[in-house]
Amino acid sequence: EIVMTQSPATLSVSPGEGATLACRASQSVSNYLAWYQQKVGQAPRLLIYGASTRATGIPARFSGSGSGTEFTLTISSLQSEDFAVYYCQQYNYWPDTFGQGTKLEI
Amino acid sequence: QVQLQESGPGLVKPSETLSLTCTVSGGSITSYYWTWIRQPPGKGLEWIGYIYYSGSTNYTPSLKSRVTISVDTSKNQFSLRLSSVTAADTAVYYCARRMWAAAPMDYWGQGTLVTVSS
Repeated sequence: EIVMTQSPATLSVSPGEGATLACRASQSVSNYLAWYQQKVGQAPRLLIYGASTRATGIPARFSGSGSGTEFTLTISSLQSEDFAVYYCQQYNYWPDTFGQGTKLEI
Repeated sequence: QVQLQESGPGLVKPSETLSLTCTVSGGSITSYYWTWIRQPPGKGLEWIGYIYYSGSTNYTPSLKSRVTISVDTSKNQFSLRLSSVTAADTAVYYCARRMWAAAPMDYWGQGTLVTVSS
């Protein structure tokens, strides 16, 4: 089973600033990497797939990069609605596995 | 717009079977993969398994002996059964869609909390 490790666990940022979240896979997952945003009491929402492709309706301030074992989610100019928990997921190998999440807080 | 809605009991006794149904609206259940994911309170996401509309399934190894996912294309529904539950199975259970086997989940249900307790 592929282990996904996210860092940091918590990131404190001010609105208007940028944020960079990291995700590392225990072995190469190529670009089969997705990022999700989850707000309290809500289901996760797909942000990025294929490591760098934004899902439908996702603002351009969200961008993803990386391949193999190292991946990054960058959020430029944070808006109030961006403060949430972010999960990465690999879907190259069965079973899918998720990172433990990064909480983005004000 | 595709919508998914989980339904089923919110409380299950230890050793019994958890049963949930996901109803898909706004689109056909055919030609896609349908997934169950769970999230224990305050914790991260765990993939349970998926079913293709034709009936082929794939389950996570840690739950494989206790999980059954089935599909009813006539009702546009798919279901989860998890047997011999314990308190460790208490979680919010989500159903979701993926377009093919190696794809992320693009549509999610709102989730339903299932508590295992006597």
